Amino acid sequence: AQSVTQPDIHITVSEGASLELRCNYSYGATPYLFWYVQSPGQGLQLLLKYFSGDTLVQGIKGFEAEFKRSQSSFNLRKPSVHWSDAAEYFCAVGALTGKLIFGQGTTLQVKP
Amino acid sequence: DAMVIQNPRYQVTQFGKPVTLSCSQTLNHNVMYWYQQKSSQAPKLLFHYYDKDFNNEADTPDNFQSRRPNTSFCFLDIRSPGLGDAAMYLCATSRETGGLAEAFFGQGTRLTVV
Repeated sequence: AQSVTQPDIHITVSEGASLELRCNYSYGATPYLFWYVQSPGQGLQLLLKYFSGDTLVQGIKGFEAEFKRSQSSFNLRKPSVHWSDAAEYFCAVGALTGKLIFGQGTTLQVKP
Repeated sequence: DAMVIQNPRYQVTQFGKPVTLSCSQTLNHNVMYWYQQKSSQAPKLLFHYYDKDFNNEADTPDNFQSRRPNTSFCFLDIRSPGLGDAAMYLCATSRETGGLAEAFFGQGTRLTVV
């Protein structure tokens, strides 16, 4: 069955510190992977996506993610977190129907 | 500027009283999706349209219906809302189906059932 797991429900980092959000997926074929960010009361905004090719993908707002097939992982990283990055982050795998299967989400809190 | 617009942003309805949420898009995308997101949970797909073809998820309750009168608009109808239907409802669009398709989301409508 297709599924996405985000092991960390809540993460707190200090402003300026580095960030890594974990994502593991289970999918029978080549996965199409996405990271979305959701601010409180808002819709989802795409940060980055991976379809094929270079396993390190760059996204908006200084985020990047690395696809590791051997570990079934697609972790999101940012070298230096800003207070405005506080939000909920969702990893998702795209099915052939276009349906997105989301992980449970990770809430990021940024300490001043 | 907004590409996927949902109205209203906040909707309060009475238990059992039919309610309709609307979504419009300026992207001219073929596919429109409705997701339900309950508090502190991941969004869950209810159904989607590819053009005029309706595709229901197997576990979507019959209480939820949808209409797409034209390319730009899609509606979510909840025939008899229960307290368990209180959630954020997210509309999304994509140019095509397939894993490559990037979805663009609206701001969501938060539904409260009283």
